[in-house]
Amino acid sequence: NAGVTQTPKFRILKIGQSMTLQCAQDMNHNYMYWYRQDPGMGLKLIYYSVGAGITDKGEVPNGYNVSRSTTEDFPLRLELAAPSQTSVYFCASSYSPGQGMRQPQHFGDGTRLSIL
Amino acid sequence: AQKVTQAQTEISVVEKEDVTLDCVYETRDTTYYLFWYKQPPSGELVFLIRRNSFDEQNEISGRYSWNFQKSTSSFNFTITASQVVDSAVYFCALSIDNYKLTFGKGTLLTVNP
Repeated sequence: NAGVTQTPKFRILKIGQSMTLQCAQDMNHNYMYWYRQDPGMGLKLIYYSVGAGITDKGEVPNGYNVSRSTTEDFPLRLELAAPSQTSVYFCASSYSPGQGMRQPQHFGDGTRLSIL
Repeated sequence: AQKVTQAQTEISVVEKEDVTLDCVYETRDTTYYLFWYKQPPSGELVFLIRRNSFDEQNEISGRYSWNFQKSTSSFNFTITASQVVDSAVYFCALSIDNYKLTFGKGTLLTVNP
């Protein structure tokens, strides 16, 4: 059982380039999330999705886009990379709240992104 | 808006010492959920505990224990007889809908041999 898989693990981008961070889960979770973690800071929610075709903004959505065409995949797109987007990005997934009393979010291992 | 404060940025202890990590939260909602996650040096996030606002019972899991006090809006985490493998960043988090998480900034715990 792979859980939440993020690719790539590391990436260096030039300012103005675009890229897509991939996230896939095989646990049949309805809910998926993207967080970013800046040095010395906690994780901040970028976008989330409660099911295929449904996405919504989190706390820090500017500069990012997402899509959710399938239950399994939730890619995060950076259109015009900026140095402020240098961060570690975590994808997570979970069941919907009503499906379990103690179901936590399952996190991927993260993508370390540097924009120079 | 929700807020989680982990006032201790870094803590350093010697192995076998007990250590308590503080977490103070703010929310106007009466139903909410509190979490602790561990982030070891390898970087992944490991779920430790979830507690809902209606359950103030303290919980113990091996060397780990959690003290939830609504009166002081705190959800503190104690590691008894710390070990080097406990060295990590520990995050406290809050959710009012049991899915979106608001994280504190984390506490870096270093356990020295």
